[in-house]
Amino acid sequence: DAGVIQSPRHEVTEMGQEVTLRCKPISGHNSLFWYRQTMMRGLELLIYFNNNVPIDDSGMPEDRFSAKMPNASFSTLKIQPSEPRDSAVYFCASSLGRLTEAFFGQGTRLTVV
Amino acid sequence: AQTVTQSQPEMSVQEAETVTLSCTYDTSESDYYLFWYKQPPSRQMILVIRQEAYKQQNATENRFSVNFQKAAKSFSLKISDSQLGDAAMYFCAYRSAGSGYSTLTFGKGTMLLVSP
Repeated sequence: DAGVIQSPRHEVTEMGQEVTLRCKPISGHNSLFWYRQTMMRGLELLIYFNNNVPIDDSGMPEDRFSAKMPNASFSTLKIQPSEPRDSAVYFCASSLGRLTEAFFGQGTRLTVV
Repeated sequence: AQTVTQSQPEMSVQEAETVTLSCTYDTSESDYYLFWYKQPPSRQMILVIRQEAYKQQNATENRFSVNFQKAAKSFSLKISDSQLGDAAMYFCAYRSAGSGYSTLTFGKGTMLLVSP
């Protein structure tokens, strides 16, 4: 199994630009999470999907952030417009069911200048 | 809401020695899962060990073991015979096993330094 696959690994963009992060969960997993990691705030849950449906998006910072999961094998996290304070590592994770551990992708390091 | 607290920002250990990382959590639920994840400099999040709250027996995975104290809401990780490759950030995490949907809540992490 290839594990959770995220792209890109690194992204540098200018303030005001649109950024799209991509995630392919482990095949067969039906729960998907997007987390943001910063030194100041640690690991924060942004959004949680179950069977492709957003269940908890209370962690999404503001309207500039949006996430979609059009099918069981693909999810995107979009930031528009991006700001320097969005610089962080963004992780995607998936799990089989709601009672198991989550498996993480390699993360995307986003830098907004 | 559940909270997870790791009170040690940084810990140091020498190779071959034993170290214990602390974690406490706050919950009103009786059924849940606890995890320890390791994040080396590569930033990959790796599951180290898991514990089901309904199990009294402490989980063990090779050199890694936990001390789960349900009444005290404490979940510490013991690393025996520490190796240089154990140097990483360690995160404690909580997941509800009750009805409905559940997410993973993480502590702030403990940086483990291993010296030769």
